[in-house]
Amino acid sequence: DTGVSQNPRHKITKRGQNVTFRCDPISEHNRLYWYRQTLGQGPEFLTYFQNEAQLEKSRLLSDRFSAERPKGSFSTLEIQRTEQGDSAMYLCASSYRAGNSNEQFFGPGTRLTVL
Amino acid sequence: AQKITQTQPGMFVQEKEAVTLDCTYDTSDQSYGLFWYKQPSSGEMIFLIYQGSYDEQNATEGRYSLNFQKARKSANLVISASQLGDSAMYFCAMREGRADSWGKFQFGAGTQVVVTP
Repeated sequence: DTGVSQNPRHKITKRGQNVTFRCDPISEHNRLYWYRQTLGQGPEFLTYFQNEAQLEKSRLLSDRFSAERPKGSFSTLEIQRTEQGDSAMYLCASSYRAGNSNEQFFGPGTRLTVL
Repeated sequence: AQKITQTQPGMFVQEKEAVTLDCTYDTSDQSYGLFWYKQPSSGEMIFLIYQGSYDEQNATEGRYSLNFQKARKSANLVISASQLGDSAMYFCAMREGRADSWGKFQFGAGTQVVVTP
């Protein structure tokens, strides 16, 4: 296991279409996070899971966004009826909740462009 | 309210010189962690250094050190002996709460560092 992986790396879609991204965390990590990063800004928290439970959702996560982690392993982030404002880099990170574990390991991101 | 403030949008630094990147934070929690990440143009987020709120010593990792001033709520990153490969965006981040129950990161807007020969 070489790290967090995300697919696809790039996605171009037309406004109004639905898109789904996948994140595969580091295998022993039980926490998984989604962030959104727009150009020139820091990542903004969207949601996170501990195992299969979604523990927190940002108000940024409108009803067009849904995230799942059905078996506590990989996660999907779906955006329905995409808007141009959804264009951003979507980052996934994972970590292990134990002791003094403090680092989140980030994937390479999925860059979404909505035309 | 902004939890993490990075006031320097961009900086130029000459190779082999030291550079300090500013970060101030806002929290009412007694327990929290402060982090610095590097993001090169390729996009990946690279962990650099961590400081716990109860750590009395400033954290160091190779050429990186964190100047932690708790009373001022600042956590500046110092990069010594800059290299061309240090050119990147640098983000300060915070996780609130106890280390075994941390959740999300809250990031600053970042500082773009350009190292010149």
